[in-house]
Amino acid sequence: AQSVTQLDSQVPVFEEAPVELRCNYSSSVSVYLFWYVQYPNQGLQLLLKYLSGSTLVKGINGFEAEFNKSQTSFHLRKPSVHISDTAEYFCAVIQNTGGFKTIFGAGTRLFVKA
Amino acid sequence: KAGVTQTPRYLIKTRGQQVTLSCSPISGHRSVSWYQQTPGQGLQFLFEYFSETQRNKGNFPGRFSGRQFSNSRSEMNVSTLELGDSALYLCASSRRAGGDNSPLHFGNGTRLTVT
Repeated sequence: AQSVTQLDSQVPVFEEAPVELRCNYSSSVSVYLFWYVQYPNQGLQLLLKYLSGSTLVKGINGFEAEFNKSQTSFHLRKPSVHISDTAEYFCAVIQNTGGFKTIFGAGTRLFVKA
Repeated sequence: KAGVTQTPRYLIKTRGQQVTLSCSPISGHRSVSWYQQTPGQGLQFLFEYFSETQRNKGNFPGRFSGRQFSNSRSEMNVSTLELGDSALYLCASSRRAGGDNSPLHFGNGTRLTVT
């Protein structure tokens, strides 16, 4: 069964600095990978997705992620963060075991400081 | 296009009571999933409905149940509430039919507090 591990529970960073949020997955079959963002008191929004094709995926708000099959990773990056990027970020994979369901990592709280 | 709508936004209930939460998916989406979000356990999958049938179920006790109507709207019910049921309950819809990889579209959730 697929699972997702987010390696950092919290990431503090200064405004305009680059950031990388790490995600590793385990799977023995084809994977579909996603990053979602959750702002306070809201549901989750899709940032980007990897289904197939190019391993570098660009999403909304200047975020991008790279699918690395050999390292089973799907790390999220942004070259320059803003205060408004402060939120919780979730890596997710679709699990295909007798039906399809999305499994989420534990989340990484990104805190952008002025 | 209207997003996923969850009602109510906030609920306060007492232990032992039951509660029903409602979710209206995006128009045209036939799959509705429910998640429980808590600080300690993160996002836990409850169940998924597609065309009025429960297609997937997570590891929750039988006190948690759901259903889906012919218009794809869904409800979840929790009976005999316990303090540990306090959480944000999120509903998500997708175009996902069988075996596809459509992303989830989430509502803003219902925050349930059990006292």
